[in-house]
Amino acid sequence: RKEVEQDPGPFNVPEGATVAFNCTYSNSASQSFFWYRQDCRKEPKLLMSVYSSGNEDGRFTAQLNRASQYISLLIRDSKLSDSATYLCALRGSSYKLIFGSGTRLLVRP
Amino acid sequence: GAVVSQHPSWVICKSGTSVKIECRSLDFQATTMFWYRQFPKQSLMLMATSNEGSKATYEQGVEKDKFLINHASLTLSTLTVTSAHPEDSSFYICSATLRGPNTEAFFGQGTRLTVV
Repeated sequence: RKEVEQDPGPFNVPEGATVAFNCTYSNSASQSFFWYRQDCRKEPKLLMSVYSSGNEDGRFTAQLNRASQYISLLIRDSKLSDSATYLCALRGSSYKLIFGSGTRLLVRP
Repeated sequence: GAVVSQHPSWVICKSGTSVKIECRSLDFQATTMFWYRQFPKQSLMLMATSNEGSKATYEQGVEKDKFLINHASLTLSTLTVTSAHPEDSSFYICSATLRGPNTEAFFGQGTRLTVV
């Protein structure tokens, strides 16, 4: 089983829609979780860290469910500019980041 | 935030030649850097952990003799793809992390390698 698994999508949604991504992980000892955004042919950029209590940044909300070993990302009021691939990641041993395969989001007019 | 610079951003080389990719932390000292590879429509796969002053730690399935990593200073790590073949064509990205469990990872801009 992969350490981190994501639905590859694509998710094709209209502008203004709310969309949610889930990411499951296999190592229950994992402590740090992140959501990254990656545009085509670019490096990933940190969208937000995921805290146990859940956290919100504008239209984006991230949550962690340790019991079920998944993290989620909710995007409200989708914009065209949100079209990208969203990668979840967890911090493994020696501070290395382990990435999921990414979920592609397409926001259409 | 911290800045990591990667060079070159793209390179085309002939099969059988070697290519060196540089990763520099510009405003902080990185005792550890990471090298990833990403094939089209796939995720970033960790290749190796580069440790300043010591040997790199390679992930399972990554050939250490083919992907040479040197981390001679606290601000520079290099990845050399030796005897490159077309199947090595990929997007290579480095990152560096400040110490601590919840600290952000900073990525270089990536290097798109095409072997012809």
